[in-house]
Amino acid sequence: GEDVEQSLFLSVREGDSSVINCTYTDSSSTYLYWYKQEPGAGLQLLTYIFSNMDMKQDQRLTVLLNKKDKHLSLRIADTQTGDSAIYFCAEKGRNFNKFYFGSGTKLNVKP
Amino acid sequence: NAGVTQTPKFRILKIGQSMTLQCTQDMNHNYMYWYRQDPGMGLKLIYYSVGAGITDKGEVPNGYNVSRSTTEDFPLRLELAAPSQTSVYFCASSPGGLAGGNSYEQYFGPGTRLTVT
Repeated sequence: GEDVEQSLFLSVREGDSSVINCTYTDSSSTYLYWYKQEPGAGLQLLTYIFSNMDMKQDQRLTVLLNKKDKHLSLRIADTQTGDSAIYFCAEKGRNFNKFYFGSGTKLNVKP
Repeated sequence: NAGVTQTPKFRILKIGQSMTLQCTQDMNHNYMYWYRQDPGMGLKLIYYSVGAGITDKGEVPNGYNVSRSTTEDFPLRLELAAPSQTSVYFCASSPGGLAGGNSYEQYFGPGTRLTVT
């Protein structure tokens, strides 16, 4: 299968920006997604980006895509304690029914 | 709309027992998926379905079976439970069938935590 990799942990102070990084191997990826998982809950879609875009902004969230390096990042501005969760990167390849998820980055926001 | 519902929330099985994890969605989505999430790992696709009567294997199908007799329901069956199947199981659905990234947005259920001892 495809490889999607993320660092496991990130700790920031409330009010700072958080940047969560993801790398993937499938150069034919069409869409890339960021999901958020709160404790004991399923995953919730935060945002997605089409592979022909470099950047997408949605309120406090900014997604950057470097297709040449196969690198995706999620920036959360003015991080709040409620942003503490696990963030998953996922990519959808040309086989449109299959998605590949990273192992998740646990974001800890300190007050 | 209730979204995606899964039952049970928790279950402990003995080795060799069988069980069915239930998944129902009320959004009239075409696509449904079963994933497992092992500790510290990402989600691995077990099986998926693009519509009633159609199912296909994902990355880790061994030891599992599925059926899709209706649009709403996508049960996952474990026939002979093994300790390696201890995991959290998530069901998801998506509209599918249309262009655009949001047609593939997956809506997840709350998960079933399964322990096999």
